[in-house]
Amino acid sequence: EAEVAQSPRYKITEKSQAVAFWCDPISGHATLYWYRQILGQGPELLVQFQDESVVDDSQLPKDRFSAERLKGVDSTLKIQPAELGDSAMYLCASSLLGSQPQYFGPGTRLLVL
Amino acid sequence: KQEVTQIPAALSVPEGENLVLNCSFTDSAIYNLQWFRQDPGKGLTSLLLIQSSQREQTSGRLNASLDKSSGRSTLYIAASQPGDSATYLCAVGGFQKLVFGTGTRLLVSP
Repeated sequence: EAEVAQSPRYKITEKSQAVAFWCDPISGHATLYWYRQILGQGPELLVQFQDESVVDDSQLPKDRFSAERLKGVDSTLKIQPAELGDSAMYLCASSLLGSQPQYFGPGTRLLVL
Repeated sequence: KQEVTQIPAALSVPEGENLVLNCSFTDSAIYNLQWFRQDPGKGLTSLLLIQSSQREQTSGRLNASLDKSSGRSTLYIAASQPGDSATYLCAVGGFQKLVFGTGTRLLVSP
């Protein structure tokens, strides 16, 4: 069964360092999402791509976060510099189209010290 | 702005009980509603998807209902098992966007 792949699964970094997360969606899925989930809360959308274009990045802290999906397939989310409050689970999801079911990857758990 | 609330926040039941998890949302103009399961430290597993035109969906021991007009959905779990212990998240689908509730933590004791 096709799955969304994410790496790394865990990342520990010090504040002010740069970190990057990678996501490979299910093959053929045009829409890709990055979510942030703080412990005890539901996921919140950071950015949504349709193919290689950003559809929604209204909740992305653009002073330190960036995301790209250059060829419309896999995607990278970067944080520079990392802050203590960025400690969270970063989830990637994909869907065929924007209104279709979303399938989630295993997530990257980030701890900023 | 869509807001999603899940009640209760936590639930503990003995094995074999039937149980109901509740989800409410403020904006009834939705495309669909999804129920997810999340094990500690893991990603989300989709359980059921209800389109806005549907009233309910069933998968095995799970049944989800949707009442758009009242802004409510329920997830019914029959004959609960210890393996059902997890956090259950409700997510309301608008146009190209999912808004999540904060989840219900379920513990099923043997």
